Amino acid sequence: GAVVSQHPSWVICKSGTSVKIECRSLDFQATTMFWYRQFPKQSLMLMATSNEGSKATYEQGVEKDKFLINHASLTLSTLTVTSAHPEDSSFYICSALTPNTEAFFGQGTRLTVV
Amino acid sequence: RKEVEQDPGPFNVPEGATVAFNCTYSNSASQSFFWYRQDCRKEPKLLMSVYSSGNEDGRFTAQLNRASQYISLLIRDSKLSDSATYLCVVNRGDTGRRALTFGSGTRLQVQP
Repeated sequence: GAVVSQHPSWVICKSGTSVKIECRSLDFQATTMFWYRQFPKQSLMLMATSNEGSKATYEQGVEKDKFLINHASLTLSTLTVTSAHPEDSSFYICSALTPNTEAFFGQGTRLTVV
Repeated sequence: RKEVEQDPGPFNVPEGATVAFNCTYSNSASQSFFWYRQDCRKEPKLLMSVYSSGNEDGRFTAQLNRASQYISLLIRDSKLSDSATYLCVVNRGDTGRRALTFGSGTRLQVQP
């Protein structure tokens, strides 16, 4: 299957700082990428849809000024968690759609805010 | 009502058993359907797509019933390595956005 690389795989940061997570499609071009968040023992929840060259579409209840998404190229989308707080600690996963609409996931980023 | 509902389990079965998971979805405009597998603390991985005619891949069989808005996954001859959470995933076609909606997952534990 297609390869999606997410970096970093884990990060610990201090409360109030910002963290950037990268999602790259390595062997295909992805006009659409998605960012999900998963709390322990819960389902993946869609945060936003990232479209290359345009603004991201955020799901209801997700603060766009807190979770900044940039999809500057067909192979890279970034999620920046600004002014992180302990309640933002979670598992963040990106996925990218191939041209035939199969979704492949990055390895996920485990964020811990202390 | 959740968009995609699954029995959370856990299903504890012995090796060699046959186990079936069910999933219902609420949006009749949904266009495509998948089963993903997620191991603990890992990303989901596509197990198989689900078609109206049903499809089989080795020990795994997936069925879709559009009239009842119901999807199933059957695993035959369970292996220890099948232990994971199985996610029912539906493509939301109604908004024009190609976003996948995940069920909460069904946990399978295959025991020796």
